[in-house]
Amino acid sequence: AQSVTQLDSQVPVFEEAPVELRCNYSSSVSVYLFWYVQYPNQGLQLLLKYLSGSTLVKGINGFEAEFNKSQTSFHLRKPSVHISDTAEYFCAVSARSGGSNYKLTFGKGTLLTVNP
Amino acid sequence: KAGVTQTPRYLIKTRGQQVTLSCSPISGHRSVSWYQQTPGQGLQFLFEYFSETQRNKGNFPGRFSGRQFSNSRSEMNVSTLELGDSALYLCASSSTSASSYNEQFFGPGTRLTVL
Repeated sequence: AQSVTQLDSQVPVFEEAPVELRCNYSSSVSVYLFWYVQYPNQGLQLLLKYLSGSTLVKGINGFEAEFNKSQTSFHLRKPSVHISDTAEYFCAVSARSGGSNYKLTFGKGTLLTVNP
Repeated sequence: KAGVTQTPRYLIKTRGQQVTLSCSPISGHRSVSWYQQTPGQGLQFLFEYFSETQRNKGNFPGRFSGRQFSNSRSEMNVSTLELGDSALYLCASSSTSASSYNEQFFGPGTRLTVL
């Protein structure tokens, strides 16, 4: 079984400031890692994913995340945020093996609010 | 390519009623998963269908059921609605290539309100 903890439920920042959204996970098996974004009244959009290889992954809209196996973390970062980045962000994992990559386990989400 | 579509987008029901939600996956996708999103519990996996068969089920009571048709469209049904079933229900579709990873694409969701 897997679990995901997003350490901050809300993160307010000013426009053009850097931001980090924290995510830790627990799993008894090897996992894939994801960050999704949800804008109001919309579904989830994949920001980035870690499948294998380089631990620093780059996604859409200038976001990046670093996989740290020893700390079981997958924190999301952006060097300079825009008003349009205001949304809820979800960290998720899925098991690598057994054909179960369709089942995502999500964190509770972090509401990022970018203020002018 | 059209994305995942869900109908209806909004529903209001009363306790004790039943409801059916529909999901049309991206063309060519044969796997459809359903998730429930609530403020208290967050996003939780309901079940996944592939080739008209339920492959896995989350930890939800039997009042929650689903099915998939030969064209990969899927429906989920909730019987004897309770107030706690008020949620955003999200559907996601995925291709099923030989790769160990197949990205899931989410629809906009159906917002169910139970009064």
